[in-house]
Amino acid sequence: QPVLTQPPSSSASPGESVRLTCTLPSDIPVGGYNIYWYQQKPGSPPRFLLYYFSDTDKGQGSGVPSRFSAYTDTSANTGILLISGVQSEDEADYFCAVWTRHVVFGGGTKLAVL
Amino acid sequence: QITLKESGPTLVKPTQTLTLTCSFSGFSLSATGVGVGWIRQPPGKALEWLSLIYWDGDKRYNSSLKSRLSITKDTSRNQVVLTMTNMDPTDSATYYCAHKVRSGGYYDPWGQGTLVTVSS
Repeated sequence: QPVLTQPPSSSASPGESVRLTCTLPSDIPVGGYNIYWYQQKPGSPPRFLLYYFSDTDKGQGSGVPSRFSAYTDTSANTGILLISGVQSEDEADYFCAVWTRHVVFGGGTKLAVL
Repeated sequence: QITLKESGPTLVKPTQTLTLTCSFSGFSLSATGVGVGWIRQPPGKALEWLSLIYWDGDKRYNSSLKSRLSITKDTSRNQVVLTMTNMDPTDSATYYCAHKVRSGGYYDPWGQGTLVTVSS
């Protein structure tokens, strides 16, 4: 059972914005950890997208489009991946991760671009 | 350009020991801060972090699997080896090795992965 909770599926139409959530357990405060986001397409390994700690401490993976961004909602103890202007090529599984004593992953969200 | 490639058996029997090798290029595992990790993914399921070895030999293991895992490195050959004992059908998964970046807690890039099936 993954420690980080992600909805199993989401959908968006091309051009829309979509928010994918990653809820941390109460003993892992979202404000105290980097949240890492990975994208995985069928038959391929995960690809690092970006990480977010704060608006002044964040980083984009090499070659990752700027339409991918992230932020956190401390009231919900949740990390959020925002994809602005979704494209068909963004259809994939998205995993969040946190490094505590070791890396823990979320269960992943399958994004369908309809 | 950093590349990693996993190799090992595709089929192991229950109770056997799995040995996987990660061969990499484009970086040195003697460079400060660098690491190589192993992550697995059962078909259609989530990722599970297994182990990490740092440039200085420091080793980390998933606490729930620690008694079954061992990770070593051969810096001169640019290889990292993961062994997992007492394999079970529930260990069937794609096993990935990945480069842990020097200054962050993320893995980039990953190898293509190797599918391991545990069956008698």
